[in-house]
Amino acid sequence: DSGVTQTPKHLITATGQRVTLRCSPRSGDLSVYWYQQSLDQGLQFLIHYYNGEERAKGNILERFSAQQFPDLHSELNLSSLELGDSALYFCASSRGLAAYNEQFFGPGTRLTVL
Amino acid sequence: KNEVEQSPQNLTAQEGEFITINCSYSVGISALHWLQQHPGGGIVSLFMLSSGKKKHGRLIATINIQEKHSSLHITASHPRDSAVYICAVCPTGTASKLTFGTGTRLQVTL
Repeated sequence: DSGVTQTPKHLITATGQRVTLRCSPRSGDLSVYWYQQSLDQGLQFLIHYYNGEERAKGNILERFSAQQFPDLHSELNLSSLELGDSALYFCASSRGLAAYNEQFFGPGTRLTVL
Repeated sequence: KNEVEQSPQNLTAQEGEFITINCSYSVGISALHWLQQHPGGGIVSLFMLSSGKKKHGRLIATINIQEKHSSLHITASHPRDSAVYICAVCPTGTASKLTFGTGTRLQVTL
């Protein structure tokens, strides 16, 4: 158990819908990273938050947004869903600001868009 | 061409064999991570390297910054080592971003 929790574990929804994925980092970790893992693209970095502030964006679509709240949990919002958004979404947390710190991954949320 | 290339893509070994997985990258980096993804999907961080060599149990990771290459070795492999092993680099100047390899799927049989 990494200490990082993600909810829900599975999500099935229809095209055009909007969903929210939630991540609670390990106690004391200030950084939260979001990643997408699809069959054809592998793991890709989406976005990084540190202590409530957005620090970096990767290959994140404009239909996707995220935030980190004062209690340090984070939410990833996916809207106008398309079939291609079906993937595993992981969050990871770490103590420090930089990605070279060890990251602890949550169990992932499997999103299926029908 | 991907910034991070792993080889082999698939590997089958018998229990007890010594295993090597390779990772080559084309950009300057500040660190390299080795991750293990279990068949159920969960991801565990194995090592973070910026130079030299690290060892944890039966796992050894090395990195050669000049040659832009890292290797992950598993000694005395066991069926429970069956997983996908993923190399990820933190490119210089992008403190938040990890770029991932496509992974090496390892199957260890009895």
